[in-house]
Amino acid sequence: NAGVTQTPKFQVLKTGQSMTLQCAQDMNHEYMSWYRQDPGMGLRLIHYSVGAGITDQGEVPNGYNVSRSTTEDFPLRLLSAAPSQTSVYFCASSYSAVREETQYFGPGTRLLVL
Amino acid sequence: DAKTTQPTSMDCAEGRAANLPCNHSTISGNEYVYWYRQIHSQGPQYIIHGLKNNETNEMASLIITEDRKSSTLILPHATLRDTAVYYCIVRVDQTGANNLFFGTGTRLTVIP
Repeated sequence: NAGVTQTPKFQVLKTGQSMTLQCAQDMNHEYMSWYRQDPGMGLRLIHYSVGAGITDQGEVPNGYNVSRSTTEDFPLRLLSAAPSQTSVYFCASSYSAVREETQYFGPGTRLLVL
Repeated sequence: DAKTTQPTSMDCAEGRAANLPCNHSTISGNEYVYWYRQIHSQGPQYIIHGLKNNETNEMASLIITEDRKSSTLILPHATLRDTAVYYCIVRVDQTGANNLFFGTGTRLTVIP
C-alpha cells in the first residue's frame, strides 16, 4: 500500500489563482480530512468526509471547497488563493469515521501564495 | 470542549526515558486521550491512545491518572529519531466523526 499520497509537494500561486490539492489513499478508508498547519502552530481542520458523497466543514473552511466522489480521492480546492492561505496542508484518513480510529497522514503540500 | 495543556518544550538524554505530561482537566467520561507526533514537518504519526487504563504498544506507554485529568506519554528509551513535536489530543468533536483537534504540542529534543 502507498498509504496516503498528496500532490503536489510544493506549489507557488499568485493571489487570485485557483488550484486543487490532491489527496488519495489506497487503504479503502471511509474517513478523510484536510488540515492546514501554519508556522509554529498545530494542525487545524478544514473539511472532512465520512464517506463517498458526504463532506462537512471543519474549524477553518472558508476559502476552500471539497468533494468526495470516490472512496479513494478527496481533493481540496482553493477557489481564489489569498496570502493568508500560505500554509502546509495535510490530508489524513482512517478506516472508519467513528471515533477512536487511528488516522494516517500524508506527507503534506507546502503552498506559498504571493 | 475538553482542552489539553502541554509544556512547550522538553529535553531528554538519548537512551533515557522521556516522560511527556499532558493536562486535560475538563475531559468527559467517554473521551479518549490520543498522542500523535510530528517529525520535522512531516505528517503527524499516531503513537497511542487510551480511555482510562494504562496502555502500552511497541512505541510508547500511556499512563492516565485515576481521575483522568492528566496523562503521561512515556518513550522508554529515547533515540535521536524521537526528536519531534508531540501532541496530546482529547476528542472534542460532537458530531461523532473522527476529527482531531491539535494544540501546539511539546517539542521534545533528544540530546546525544
